[in-house]
Amino acid sequence: DTGVSQNPRHKITKRGQNVTFRCDPISEHNRLYWYRQTLGQGPEFLTYFQNEAQLEKSRLLSDRFSAERPKGSFSTLEIQRTEQGDSAMYLCASSKLRELFFGSGTQLSVL
Amino acid sequence: AQSVSQHNHHVILSEAASLELGCNYSYGGTVNLFWYVQYPGQHLQLLLKYFSGDPLVKGIKGFEAEFIKSKFSFNLRKPSVQWSDTAEYFCAVNAQGDKLIFGTGTRLQVFP
Repeated sequence: DTGVSQNPRHKITKRGQNVTFRCDPISEHNRLYWYRQTLGQGPEFLTYFQNEAQLEKSRLLSDRFSAERPKGSFSTLEIQRTEQGDSAMYLCASSKLRELFFGSGTQLSVL
Repeated sequence: AQSVSQHNHHVILSEAASLELGCNYSYGGTVNLFWYVQYPGQHLQLLLKYFSGDPLVKGIKGFEAEFIKSKFSFNLRKPSVQWSDTAEYFCAVNAQGDKLIFGTGTRLQVFP
């Protein structure tokens, strides 16, 4: 068990491009969460899955953001038509009960 | 809506000083409370958690926190900090559903 794995670690993109991030949770965890963190702020909830079902999505989440967890294992987070305001650290976490285990995150920079 | 307030944004201490970081939440029902730590260059790690029972919970590395329901607080304490405690500390609450709501964090710097 190597913990929650996120790829890539860093992504630099131009405004308007699409990006996709991947998260591999801890294998026996059925819940998977996406958070976003900017400098000086705590992690902000984006969405979460129980198995393959997306159970909650933040009302702050733009329609340009979509997440999937097709087989209840890994998850992808896609951002379409990126904007400079999307620059942030995107964190994935997984859990079996109520304790979340976090990955190292994907740092997105939109130029 | 749930929210978490951490009033100390930046704390600077010398080694061996005592630490208390404030955390207040807004939710009137049953809550689960957490403190996470993020060391420089590392991912978020759980320090301690409160679900029920004894309101004084002990975590890793000598940290403890006390849940005071009447004050909606879950302050983090350590009697004697070390240089290696330099990190960012986040309080989080889980009240409705399964997601955690985080505070804005407190940056702790400990000087030898």
